[in-house]
Amino acid sequence: GDSVTQMEGPVTLSEEAFLTINCTYTATGYPSLFWYVQYPGEGLQLLLKATKADDKGSNKGFEATYRKETTSFHLEKGSVQVSDSAVYFCALSDKSGTSYGKLTFGQGTILTVHP
Amino acid sequence: DGGITQSPKYLFRKEGQNVTLSCEQNLNHDAMYWYRQDPGQGLRLIYYSQIVNDFQKGDIAEGYSVSREKKESFPLTVTSAQKNPTAFYLCASSISPGSSYNSPLHFGNGTRLTVT
Repeated sequence: GDSVTQMEGPVTLSEEAFLTINCTYTATGYPSLFWYVQYPGEGLQLLLKATKADDKGSNKGFEATYRKETTSFHLEKGSVQVSDSAVYFCALSDKSGTSYGKLTFGQGTILTVHP
Repeated sequence: DGGITQSPKYLFRKEGQNVTLSCEQNLNHDAMYWYRQDPGQGLRLIYYSQIVNDFQKGDIAEGYSVSREKKESFPLTVTSAQKNPTAFYLCASSISPGSSYNSPLHFGNGTRLTVT
């Protein structure tokens, strides 16, 4: 079945540091890939997405590129801010089989940014 | 503003009691979902509904029940059969069944259930 694996957390950075959160996936078909962010006490919000190989999703300074050859979708940001402190989830939606239309999530990575 | 409303934000129950979590959306979305979130385990799908009066089990449906009598409402009942009910529960919706392939899920702000 489909699965998503994220790097172990938590991740602690100083403001303006470079961020990478690794994400790899296993899917039977040709999935769309997503990064969601969850701020404390809230639900999840879509951060960015990519629907086919080599697509780059970007939003609010975050980027991730859909790499089919390495089955990866790593999240990056060049300079993090304190306000980026949140939990980040990598997810996929497969178009084939019984997973059709459903999202499969990674375990989440807690990011804390200090001033 | 359109969105998903989950209530209450915090819920406390004694072991052995059933409890119902509310989820209402005014986005006119066809599909609705319930996820459970536990620390270090991400989100796991409990139930989903693609149209009114129809729903399917997700990956961890045991001990839960749902109904979809109206398009805008998808309540979740946590029954006494659920062995570890304490968790953060998230409701979500999407425009149509299968649309999450290209379109995002919209999430509510969650209900934190504590059972003692």
